[in-house]
Amino acid sequence: DGGITQSPKYLFRKEGQNVTLSCEQNLNHDAMYWYRQDPGQGLRLIYYSQIVNDFQKGDIAEGYSVSREKKESFPLTVTSAQKNPTAFYLCASGQRDYGYTFGSGTRLTVV
Amino acid sequence: EDKVVQSPLSLVVHEGDTVTLNCSYEVTNFRSLLWYKQEKKAPTFLFMLTSSGIEKKSGRLSSILDKKELFSILNITATQTGDSAVYLCGRSGAGSYQLTFGKGTKLSVIP
Repeated sequence: DGGITQSPKYLFRKEGQNVTLSCEQNLNHDAMYWYRQDPGQGLRLIYYSQIVNDFQKGDIAEGYSVSREKKESFPLTVTSAQKNPTAFYLCASGQRDYGYTFGSGTRLTVV
Repeated sequence: EDKVVQSPLSLVVHEGDTVTLNCSYEVTNFRSLLWYKQEKKAPTFLFMLTSSGIEKKSGRLSSILDKKELFSILNITATQTGDSAVYLCGRSGAGSYQLTFGKGTKLSVIP
């Protein structure tokens, strides 16, 4: 089945730890995106990538890092510099003229 | 930041009512306007609009784009409890792959 897979579904992080969220797609999409969703905030863009080995900062990139070594994969690292990382993280992929598909999300909680 | 503004932020209606959700956007390098429905986790695609004045329909849902006035509306007729969700509006740019969303409209349909 074609789709976009995020893992894990739930993730707990201790203060000061880096954690990496996985996003994999087998839809052959060029573009991939990471969003953060907080209650009442909609989707805020963290990073996006339109091609392998290239990515751009979104509106709230501070404290996050990404890589795009393969077309299928776009992992997001939440670093210790992100002061308020507890949120729901959504990954998406797509083609500009054909729409975008979202993963099921990862809920990150700082403990 | 390319802004997308949705209104209202929340709405409560009774089953059978018709609702109209609004989305306005900034014009910078506009390419397409997208609507998604988010019930629990992954937003699901509803419509993508690129041409002004052409209505897209899917069952009881319809949407139209006004590129002159920079807004779109999503109509839902004969609402059902299953329509309860957050409806997200997003825009993509022509010059870049950036995909920006508004805060969403939370629709609650009560029996």
